[in-house]
Amino acid sequence: GQNIDQPTEMTATEGAIVQINCTYQTSGFNGLFWYQQHAGEAPTFLSYNVLDGLEEKGRFSSFLSRSKGYSYLLLKELQMKDSASYLCAVLDSNYQLIWGAGTKLIIKP
Amino acid sequence: GAVVSQHPSWVICKSGTSVKIECRSLDFQATTMFWYRQFPKQSLMLMATSNEGSKATYEQGVEKDKFLINHASLTLSTLTVTSAHPEDSSFYICSAPSTSGDYNEQFFGPGTRLTVL
Repeated sequence: GQNIDQPTEMTATEGAIVQINCTYQTSGFNGLFWYQQHAGEAPTFLSYNVLDGLEEKGRFSSFLSRSKGYSYLLLKELQMKDSASYLCAVLDSNYQLIWGAGTKLIIKP
Repeated sequence: GAVVSQHPSWVICKSGTSVKIECRSLDFQATTMFWYRQFPKQSLMLMATSNEGSKATYEQGVEKDKFLINHASLTLSTLTVTSAHPEDSSFYICSAPSTSGDYNEQFFGPGTRLTVL
């Protein structure tokens, strides 16, 4: 079966750095997405990785290791507005998105 | 980036009535649109894939006769929840892929919160 695992909840302090991990087992791989979702809102796109390595975009970076079936989202200089759920999703061999359950990130002052 | 709209953003209805939700791609054409349902504190669950000009493809466990999908044009897909019941109360989100960039990015509508009394 297809499976994506990410922690249910994480807590971090404003101004700090946090890393949210995602491991996956899917039938084929055509890329991995990270989305941010605030409560009551639709997800918004953060990043896309299809090749191994680190993609940096401002305060957010995403890393992928295809051989390990592993990705992480790194958030730097945390702000209160970063409190949200972060969803990891993999595009499988049928180009269908397989979603993780999401990681709720709580930022404390 | 591409914009997807949904209407209505929220709706409250009585049990037994039908509710139609519209999903529009505003500045691009979408031959395919996806309908998701999200219950509180859970991730998105794909309900069906809407295909312009043909029948929708439903995920296992999703009732075709209850969740009617019509993709009549390249910019509009509709989801009708027929004979809605309280257990259908959920956050319904549509998305459309855009291949105008380097990769197949999904653009999400803002979602429709359905409450069935």
